[in-house]
Amino acid sequence: DIQMTQSPSSLSASVGDRVTITCRASQSISSYLNWYQQKPGKAPNLLIYGASSLQSGVPSRFSGSGSGTDFTLTISSLQPEDFATYYCQQSYSTPRTFGQGTKLEIK
Amino acid sequence: QVQLVESGGGVVQPGRSLRLSCAASGFTFSSYVMHWVRQAPGKGLVWVAVISYDGSNKYYADSVKGRSTISRDNSKNTLYLQMNSLRVEDTAVYYCARETGIAAAGSRYFDLWGRGTLVTVSS
Repeated sequence: DIQMTQSPSSLSASVGDRVTITCRASQSISSYLNWYQQKPGKAPNLLIYGASSLQSGVPSRFSGSGSGTDFTLTISSLQPEDFATYYCQQSYSTPRTFGQGTKLEIK
Repeated sequence: QVQLVESGGGVVQPGRSLRLSCAASGFTFSSYVMHWVRQAPGKGLVWVAVISYDGSNKYYADSVKGRSTISRDNSKNTLYLQMNSLRVEDTAVYYCARETGIAAAGSRYFDLWGRGTLVTVSS
């Protein structure tokens, strides 16, 4: 199975900050990397697919990059509604493993 | 309205069984690969199982393999997860999710999720 490791596990930031979350795969997954946002009590919501493609309806302040084993999710200017938990997921192979999550909190 | 709605969760004793359902609407259910994902209280997302368009191929996480069966009824637009020999560690919110994308283009992703159904295994 492919293991996905996110860092950091938690992050405190302020509105307007630029934030970067990283995700590393245990083997190459090409660009089969997705990012999801989850708010408490809600289902996950797709933000980025194929490492860098923005899902329809997602604000352009979200962006993704990377290929192979190393990937990043960047939020260019944090908004109050962005405080949530973020997960990466590989879709290169089954099982479709997720990272452990990064909780983004208000500083 | 394009949506997935899970049901069937509840409180069950260890060793008992439960069948979860996921009703799809607003899209051609039979055209999509479908997954179950679970989330224990306060924990992260864990992939559980996947089923192909026509139900001919199924894969399971090691944690549920041999105890759970994923199935689908395309005539009823419904996905199922039969869970047997339930354990305390199976306690979680269970989500069904639709997989979309073009593998050849380097993208497969879960673009539609249900709200989840809570399974609590406790004596």
